Amino acid sequence: DAMVIQNPRYQVTQFGKPVTLSCSQTLNHNVMYWYQQKSSQAPKLLFHYYDKDFNNEADTPDNFQSRRPNTSFCFLDIRSPGLGDAAMYLCATSRDWAGDTQYFGPGTRLTVL
Amino acid sequence: SQQGEEDPQALSIQEGENATMNCSYKTSINNLQWYRQNSGRGLVHLILIRSNEREKHSGRLRVTLDTSKKSSSLLITASRAADTASYFCATDEGATNKLIFGTGTLLAVQP
Repeated sequence: DAMVIQNPRYQVTQFGKPVTLSCSQTLNHNVMYWYQQKSSQAPKLLFHYYDKDFNNEADTPDNFQSRRPNTSFCFLDIRSPGLGDAAMYLCATSRDWAGDTQYFGPGTRLTVL
Repeated sequence: SQQGEEDPQALSIQEGENATMNCSYKTSINNLQWYRQNSGRGLVHLILIRSNEREKHSGRLRVTLDTSKKSSSLLITASRAADTASYFCATDEGATNKLIFGTGTLLAVQP
């Protein structure tokens, strides 16, 4: 049974055209994370929510925004995608804090034309 | 900041052989985790070892942790072609509620 679901799996957008990626979870976990992963690199944390508290990483560009309307759903909005934003975007959850096991979705591969 | 460095970056072995990957980190931790990532997929949690533990086993996986050296190793015994993947160590960064991933080891198991 899928626990962390990401949609779509593949997203193609044009330079500068806003895009929204979605993530949902059936685990009822408090924490949801968004990571960016470029080819052959480690996942890089963009931001996370602890319940409704939003925590942005200092080096996350303003171009990236997030929403968590309820416990189950979290969205990643890229307001004006650039070519450098092409990457895999991974959503993850954990029960309570980062040191807990994190459960990842399958990822959304974003292509920017 | 990327806390974990992994070694080797890439490893190619034959099916049936053992694979060892090493991870080093910089600051004190509460626990260390290992994840696997198949090409183009999300990460899958393999094992978590707490800072007061020295060794942990799960099936064909054996993880060791040496907090004095700030290092950990992941051993996969009797490897299979299906073990081909990237392996990442990850450490919690104190009270900041972040998990910092290492650079990863790309393991290729030849049938």
